[in-house]
Amino acid sequence: QLHLQESGPGLVKPSETLSLTCSVSGASISSGPNFWAWIRQPPGKGLEWLATIYYTGDTYYNPSLESRVAISIDTSKNQFSLKLSSVTAADTAIFYCARRPWDLIGSVFDSWGQGILVTVSS
Amino acid sequence: DIQMTQSPSSLYASVGDRVTITCRASQTISIYVNWYQQKPGKAPQLLIHAATSLHSGVPSRFSGSGSGTDFNLTVSSLQPEDFATYYCQQSYRDPLFGGGTKVEIK
Repeated sequence: QLHLQESGPGLVKPSETLSLTCSVSGASISSGPNFWAWIRQPPGKGLEWLATIYYTGDTYYNPSLESRVAISIDTSKNQFSLKLSSVTAADTAIFYCARRPWDLIGSVFDSWGQGILVTVSS
Repeated sequence: DIQMTQSPSSLYASVGDRVTITCRASQTISIYVNWYQQKPGKAPQLLIHAATSLHSGVPSRFSGSGSGTDFNLTVSSLQPEDFATYYCQQSYRDPLFGGGTKVEIK
């Protein structure tokens, strides 16, 4: 059974870079052909897609955040990661990693991690 | 950008009620709509993909309809575990979620 688990610091200072990792078990990221994504949710608010990466390393970004966000994949560790630079308090959110399966039409997220709360504060 | 307007933002219902949530896209998006359920403190869970396809393991009381710009999620007979927040999401272009509908106990 597929399991995704986010990890990283729960507190980041303003202007610094937020770095998170999603560890995947129950499936091999490198064997493809799934996509892997990051989605965030400010406390009490709605969901915002941030970025998606294909198992080949092809990346797709939310245009509103593209200048600050980077997604990468480490097939040797079966992990993928997110970096969000120049953070402000507005970036405080629960960050989820998720799978976009290849066999469902469009960008559908069928498996999610439990989420990790990241607070931006000095 | 394609906007998704979800309504209502909240509703009160009783166990056994039939509930319908609507999402309207700002332009035609064929059947590229998905629906998720989120309970407090939990990650969203996929209910419906491609407007009408029930995701594996999801109870049959959930159904989706629509195409083009107007989409519905219907719960035929609300159960106690269905009180949650529901989100639509368009996947025609970059993924974008609706604002959510909180279903609360009347």
